[in-house]
Amino acid sequence: AQSVTQPDIHITVSEGASLELRCNYSYGATPYLFWYVQSPGQGLQLLLKYFSGDTLVQGIKGFEAEFKRSQSSFNLRKPSVHWSDAAEYFCAVAAVYNNNDMRFGAGTRLTVKP
Amino acid sequence: GAVVSQHPSWVICKSGTSVKIECRSLDFQATTMFWYRQFPKQSLMLMATSNEGSKATYEQGVEKDKFLINHASLTLSTLTVTSAHPEDSSFYICSAGTSGRSYEQYFGPGTRLTVT
Repeated sequence: AQSVTQPDIHITVSEGASLELRCNYSYGATPYLFWYVQSPGQGLQLLLKYFSGDTLVQGIKGFEAEFKRSQSSFNLRKPSVHWSDAAEYFCAVAAVYNNNDMRFGAGTRLTVKP
Repeated sequence: GAVVSQHPSWVICKSGTSVKIECRSLDFQATTMFWYRQFPKQSLMLMATSNEGSKATYEQGVEKDKFLINHASLTLSTLTVTSAHPEDSSFYICSAGTSGRSYEQYFGPGTRLTVT
């Protein structure tokens, strides 16, 4: 079965600084990959997704992610972080043969310093 | 589009009672709905998958008699926590998917359950 690892439990960045959140997956083929954001006490909002094609994916709120097959990674990036980006970020992977079977990473909590 | 709602957003119940959580897809028909559980500062754990008109498929370790799932229509799924205990206190999130919008699940805002 597929699995996801988010190595960083908590990251703190200054407002205006760049951001990269790491995500590594384990799956026997090219999976479907997602990044979600969750504000405290809220559900999940989809930031972006990768199914196929261009490995650099643009999402909402200025986020982008790059799929690197050789590294089994799908890292999330933002060039300039805003205070409102403080939240929990989840990477998720779904199997191609059963795209309803989605597995989530442990999450990375982002703190933004003024 | 693709809005999923949950009701209630927050519920407190006494130990031993049952509580029902509703998940609705507001602007699309959900052929499949999912129920997740999230403990504080942890990730989402899939509890079960349900298809409209069929019995839910539960993940290993999830008690099907305790967490009753009904997917009676293409827009409504319910999760009933029976004989709730304090250890059932958690954040429950549903999501909905459809064959017309494949490869993506749309998440509800979650329900905070506290069992006293």
